[in-house]
Amino acid sequence: DQQVKQNSPSLSVQEGRISILNCDYTNSMFDYFLWYKKYPAEGPTFLISISSIKDKNEDGRFTVFLNKSAKHLSLHIVPSQPGDSAVYFCAASFRTYKYIFGTGTRLKVLA
Amino acid sequence: NAGVTQTPKFQVLKTGQSMTLQCAQDMNHNSMYWYRQDPGMGLRLIYYSASEGTTDKGEVPNGYNVSRLNKREFSLRLESAAPSQTSVYFCASRSSGSGNTIYFGEGSWLTVV
Repeated sequence: DQQVKQNSPSLSVQEGRISILNCDYTNSMFDYFLWYKKYPAEGPTFLISISSIKDKNEDGRFTVFLNKSAKHLSLHIVPSQPGDSAVYFCAASFRTYKYIFGTGTRLKVLA
Repeated sequence: NAGVTQTPKFQVLKTGQSMTLQCAQDMNHNSMYWYRQDPGMGLRLIYYSASEGTTDKGEVPNGYNVSRLNKREFSLRLESAAPSQTSVYFCASRSSGSGNTIYFGEGSWLTVV
């Protein structure tokens, strides 16, 4: 049973516009959420995170929103740039050392 | 800044052969992880080690064994490789301070024929 789901396998966005990547989770005990970015032939790199005590965290062009009642988080990238083209993974954790990842969304930013 | 280092980067095995993937981190992290990435499946946790001397099963542990040799090193062993274990394997480590971010190595590409 997939505890962390990314239902959109791919997303295309024009350069300069907003990219919104979504992630749903089933375990209400998760208390920490992260987004990772992955380029081909490289390891995932950390992008941004949010604790369950917050509903928004911002870092430059990247903002993560958390809706605990809906068990949903989203990553907003504004403005999108061609260099943002990559696979994005969301991950969730609960006070343990286990981090559960989603299946990923491939973002393509069109110049 | 080496971070998390994995070896080998590429390996081809025959069905039934054994091998060990090595991982070392130089960030003094307590926790270490092994994930595999497969198309459409995302990153799935194989095993993790919360601290030196402890290991626990993740989502897909069957067919693998691990050893936390010391604080720096966490190895993943395939005792009898199967084609279903063809995958990209990522080692990661976690800071124990605020942030709880995990840091990944560059990956090991394993093909079992």
